[in-house]
Amino acid sequence: EPEVTQTPSHQVTQMGQEVILRCVPISNHLYFYWYRQILGQKVEFLVSFYNNEISEKSEIFDDQFSVERPDGSNFTLKIRSTKLEDSAMYFCASSTTGDPFSTDTQYFGPGTRLTVL
Amino acid sequence: GENVEQHPSTLSVQEGDSAVIKCTYSDSASNYFPWYKQELGKRPQLIIDIRSNVGEKKDQRIAVTLNKTAKHFSLHITETQPEDSAVYFCAADSDSSYKLIFGSGTRLLVRP
Repeated sequence: EPEVTQTPSHQVTQMGQEVILRCVPISNHLYFYWYRQILGQKVEFLVSFYNNEISEKSEIFDDQFSVERPDGSNFTLKIRSTKLEDSAMYFCASSTTGDPFSTDTQYFGPGTRLTVL
Repeated sequence: GENVEQHPSTLSVQEGDSAVIKCTYSDSASNYFPWYKQELGKRPQLIIDIRSNVGEKKDQRIAVTLNKTAKHFSLHITETQPEDSAVYFCAADSDSSYKLIFGSGTRLLVRP
């Protein structure tokens, strides 16, 4: 069964450094998402992406964050200047969503644990 | 804003007993309600979902019920097994987009 994949599994960085988290969504999916989960807390929506542009972003997704689909398979989340509070597990998800009136199942990747020192 | 409340935060049951987790949501336009199971350090895995045109859905030992009027939905696990131990998250979609709003999670412990 196809799965969403993410790399790296764990990223350690110094405060102020840029990081890029990578995701390969399921191949026939059209919608892509980033969520984050601070340790022990709920999963929080960051951004959704469709047709090569952002569909929606949360208040967490400020100017330090950006997303890109650089080729036909990868979907990336960039944090330009990391802060201590960016430490979290970042999950990529994808869904088919061919129906504009229905939310399709979102399949999550294994996550990237980001640690900002 | 949009919100999903989930209760209880922890639930401990004896193997073979039933477990019930409840969620309420605020956005009356929500139509899609998935449940995810997350084992320690792993990805959230969809276990069951329900849409607003259905009141109940069952898959073997797992069932979900939805009351749109009251904006409640619940997960029922029967004949619990130790491998059911995990954190369970409910979620609801948003009328304005396909994003999912998650509940705060329920840590289920099934005692052998």
